[in-house]
Amino acid sequence: DQQVKQNSPSLSVQEGRISILNCDYTNSMFDYFLWYKKYPAEGPTFLISISSIKDKNEDGRFTVFLNKSAKHLSLHIVPSQPGDSAVYFCAALTQKLSSGSARQLTFGSGTQLTVLP
Amino acid sequence: DAGITQSPRHKVTETGTPVTLRCHQTENHRYMYWYRQDPGHGLRLIHYSYGVKDTDKGEVSDGYSVSRSKTEDFLLTLESATSSQTSVYFCAISGLAGLNNEQFFGPGTRLTVL
Repeated sequence: DQQVKQNSPSLSVQEGRISILNCDYTNSMFDYFLWYKKYPAEGPTFLISISSIKDKNEDGRFTVFLNKSAKHLSLHIVPSQPGDSAVYFCAALTQKLSSGSARQLTFGSGTQLTVLP
Repeated sequence: DAGITQSPRHKVTETGTPVTLRCHQTENHRYMYWYRQDPGHGLRLIHYSYGVKDTDKGEVSDGYSVSRSKTEDFLLTLESATSSQTSVYFCAISGLAGLNNEQFFGPGTRLTVL
């Protein structure tokens, strides 16, 4: 049972327009959410995050929105650029794992964003 | 650049052989993690470490073991590789300066078990 879901495997947008990537979660114990960007043959790169005590976090062209009541978050990219074409993973942090305060990231299955020139 | 490397980057092996993947970090992060990425599953946690010689299991730990004898190295071992362990393996680190939210990933190791 996937606790973090990205229901759109792919998304195509025109350069300059807004990209909106969506993510839903089921575990109410998640308290921190992250977005990662992944290019082929590379590791995921941290993009932006949001704590559960906030509903919005902005960093340049990237904004993440969190709706706790709906258990939904979204990533907005404005304006979209061809270099943004990548797989985007939504991830959520649980409370501490059983040992040593480490925290487990639970990932969605990813959305392939293609920005068309 | 979080100063994290993985070796080898690619490996092809046969069923039943032992395989060890290495993760090396240069920035003294406390926590280290091994994930595997498979189509339709995102990344899933295999094992993690919260200090030298301190490790524990993650979500998909069966068939894997780990060791951390130094802060900078975290090894993932497949004692007897199976075809179901064909995957891309990522190491991650976190915990520098007491912060433990963002995890930073290595470039990955693509493992094929024939």
